[in-house]
Amino acid sequence: DARVTQTPRHKVTEMGQEVTMRCQPILGHNTVFWYRQTMMQGLELLAYFRNRAPLDDSGMPKDRFSAEMPDATLATLKIQPSEPRDSAVYFCASGLGAGRWSDIQYFGAGTRLSVL
Amino acid sequence: EDKVVQSPLSLVVHEGDTVTLNCSYEVTNFRSLLWYKQEKKAPTFLFMLTSSGIEKKSGRLSSILDKKELFSILNITATQTGDSAIYLCAVGTDKLIFGTGTRLQVFP
Repeated sequence: DARVTQTPRHKVTEMGQEVTMRCQPILGHNTVFWYRQTMMQGLELLAYFRNRAPLDDSGMPKDRFSAEMPDATLATLKIQPSEPRDSAVYFCASGLGAGRWSDIQYFGAGTRLSVL
Repeated sequence: EDKVVQSPLSLVVHEGDTVTLNCSYEVTNFRSLLWYKQEKKAPTFLFMLTSSGIEKKSGRLSSILDKKELFSILNITATQTGDSAIYLCAVGTDKLIFGTGTRLQVFP
């Protein structure tokens, strides 16, 4: 049963601390997306990668957020320093993309982040 | 700016009712329209539509796309309490652009 795996599932931290979220995409998928979901904003795209190369990170606050794909089986999203307004559920999704296009995305269970 | 608008924002019905959820969009480089169901955790994929007028069905759920009028509907017949969720519409370009969702609550 192929699925996107995210760790940790829950994270509680204090303001100013570094937070790292990890994602293992479905084997064979070449596109990985990071989303943030809040009650107010819904699902917001933060960044995405195709074949491990970043294609778009315009949704991400650049001063504190960074996203990387060190290899095809691991994507990371880092926040340093974290702030209370970063509290949200962070989803990773993967899919198959060709050229400019992406089709069906499969979502992980999310990381629920609380910054106190 | 690309946008996807869903209506209604919220819907409360009784088991057995039929519901219609709406999704309209304005995007450049349209490729596909997708529906997802989100219960307590991750959005799960329901349908992908790329052609106008062709209905996709899965059990009590069905969806159709109108590319001329730029909208899609998701129908759920004979609703059950297990259908309670947020239904998300997303339009595929080089990425997915999500609407804010319709929260459906089905009471016994």
